[in-house]
Amino acid sequence: QVQLQESGPGLVKPSQTLSLTCTVSGASIRSGSYYWTWIRQLPGKGLQWIGNIYYSEGSYYNPSLESRVTISVDTSKNQFSLKLNSVTAADTAVYFCAKEGYYYDSNELYYYYNFDVWGQGTPVTVSS
Amino acid sequence: ELTQDPTVSVALGQTVKITCQGDTVRIYYITWYQQKPGQAPVVVIYGKNNRPSGVPDRFSGSSSGNTASLTITGTQAEDEADYYCNSRDSSGNLVMFGGGTKLTVL
Repeated sequence: QVQLQESGPGLVKPSQTLSLTCTVSGASIRSGSYYWTWIRQLPGKGLQWIGNIYYSEGSYYNPSLESRVTISVDTSKNQFSLKLNSVTAADTAVYFCAKEGYYYDSNELYYYYNFDVWGQGTPVTVSS
Repeated sequence: ELTQDPTVSVALGQTVKITCQGDTVRIYYITWYQQKPGQAPVVVIYGKNNRPSGVPDRFSGSSSGNTASLTITGTQAEDEADYYCNSRDSSGNLVMFGGGTKLTVL
């Protein structure tokens, strides 16, 4: 059973870098067909995809955040990480890590994506 | 972009349909998530119309043209939650979420 756990500071000062880590258990981060993903939820708002990393292909980022975001993998620790630069109060949110699978339904012969495993989420506040 | 109605209400025991509109509904199968306060989202429908183990069979999904729908038949009080649809963009590289629908059970 795959499990994800976010960790990192709950308070970050404006203009600094937000750094979070997601520890993966029950699966290898090198596994094919998995996109290791960061998603956030601003207070009282919906889900916002930040970006993902696919071990053998690299990363994709939300265009609205791309200039400030880096997602990387540490295979030795089976972890992936998020760095968000130059944060402001608008980056205050609950941050989730998630595993997105790309699966094939062999009965009906089609592919589909699915965020089937999520971390519990970690709140991050940007404030001085 | 995926568009959802912000709020929907339904009487206890009745049927409700939550919709998700967008061009990529024609290309990719929509996944539906349920999120309750203080919790991470959980999948309720994925693929053509599949439910993960543990999701009641009163949840079902469908799609027509550029609109995907999540239907709850015989809505229960515990179904009160936020529901999000999710897909990829037309390039297949970027992920999209609908804005979410807050379901109120009366």
